[in-house]
Amino acid sequence: DAGVIQSPRHEVTEMGQEVTLRCKPISGHNSLFWYRQTMMRGLELLIYFNNNVPIDDSGMPEDRFSAKMPNASFSTLKIQPSEPRDSAVYFCASSLGGLGQGNYGYTFGSGTRLTVV
Amino acid sequence: AQSVTQLGSHVSVSEGALVLLRCNYSSSVPPYLFWYVQYPNQGLQLLLKYTSAATLVKGINGFEAEFKKSETSFHLTKPSAHMSDAAEYFCAVCEGGGYQKVTFGTGTKLQVIP
Repeated sequence: DAGVIQSPRHEVTEMGQEVTLRCKPISGHNSLFWYRQTMMRGLELLIYFNNNVPIDDSGMPEDRFSAKMPNASFSTLKIQPSEPRDSAVYFCASSLGGLGQGNYGYTFGSGTRLTVV
Repeated sequence: AQSVTQLGSHVSVSEGALVLLRCNYSSSVPPYLFWYVQYPNQGLQLLLKYTSAATLVKGINGFEAEFKKSETSFHLTKPSAHMSDAAEYFCAVCEGGGYQKVTFGTGTKLQVIP
């Protein structure tokens, strides 16, 4: 298995531009998570999907952030317009299990390092 | 609400010495507990997990952790540190019931001194 695949690995963009981050979870995993990691705030859960349905988006910072999961093998996180404070490493993770099932632990992608200048 | 506290943001040990990374959790229900490791410029990798089957959990790379309910702790240990163990380690908690949301600690950076 290739693991969780994220693209791009690095993204540098100008303030105000739209940014789209992509994630392909492990085949068969039915839960998908987007996290943001910064030195100041550590790991923050942005949104959690189960069976392609958003379950918890309380961590999405504001309306500039949106996430979609159109099918079991693909998810996107979009920031529009981007701001310098969005600079961080964004991780996608997937896992087995779901509501009413056990937690088997996450498999993380390698992350996208976003720099907004 | 669930949470984890990792004592010490930085820990230094000599190569060959015992590694002890501390984690205390707060959960209103019996939790799932995890340790993850993050190497530079990489994502987090699952080291081990506690899911109530056994209180002493063995993971990869020679690490193990013991669940102590009376102390609400889940400390990570390794008898003999290796240079390749230098990384950041995260403790994490998930409350039962299948809701998959995991709360991570703030991480402990382990330095191994030759």
